[in-house]
Amino acid sequence: EAQVTQNPRYLITVTGKKLTVTCSQNMNHEYMSWYRQDPGLGLRQIYYSMNVEVTDKGDVPEGYKVSRKEKRNFPLILESPSPNQTSLYFCASKRTGWVEETQYFGPGTRLLVL
Amino acid sequence: QQPVQSPQAVILREGEDAVINCSSSKALYSVHWYRQKHGEAPVFLMILLKGGEQKGHDKISASFNEKKQQSSLYLTASQLSYSGTYFCGTGPPVTGNQFYFGTGTSLTVIP
Repeated sequence: EAQVTQNPRYLITVTGKKLTVTCSQNMNHEYMSWYRQDPGLGLRQIYYSMNVEVTDKGDVPEGYKVSRKEKRNFPLILESPSPNQTSLYFCASKRTGWVEETQYFGPGTRLLVL
Repeated sequence: QQPVQSPQAVILREGEDAVINCSSSKALYSVHWYRQKHGEAPVFLMILLKGGEQKGHDKISASFNEKKQQSSLYLTASQLSYSGTYFCGTGPPVTGNQFYFGTGTSLTVIP
């Protein structure tokens, strides 16, 4: 089944404790992206990657890191989480080269930083 | 560059129609529409390209006016399953490789 998976689905942590949220897709998509969703603000792009070893900042990259060492994986790293990073996070992927392509979203990771 | 959606929220009775608008301050090349149920991932509805193309998907259709930099989503004869939050989104190539989603429109259909 074609899908985007994220782990963990729920995470409670404390300020400053480094964490990683994994994202994996099995559709051989070149483009992968991370979004955060907050009430009233919609989905905002954090980082995206056009292909392996190619990453770029989205609209709200502060406090986050990403890496793209393999085509299928795109982990999101919070080196020193703060309470304002409490949010619902989505990973997404799509093919590149086709403007008409939709993005496929993972199930989401709900993060609470105390 | 985030698109602006209106209305922010709407409540309908089953069978009624609704229109959700999406406008951008920047030129649009394509507009994506998604629906999201509470706590779930956004689900793709349709993509429209510049040219005023109107697409349909069951009783949900959309139009795209690139000159006005606007898109509208039309829901006719609404069903309970239409409830959710609707997002429009804009992306490449005008925005580089970034995607921008609107703030969402909450749609509630009641019996």
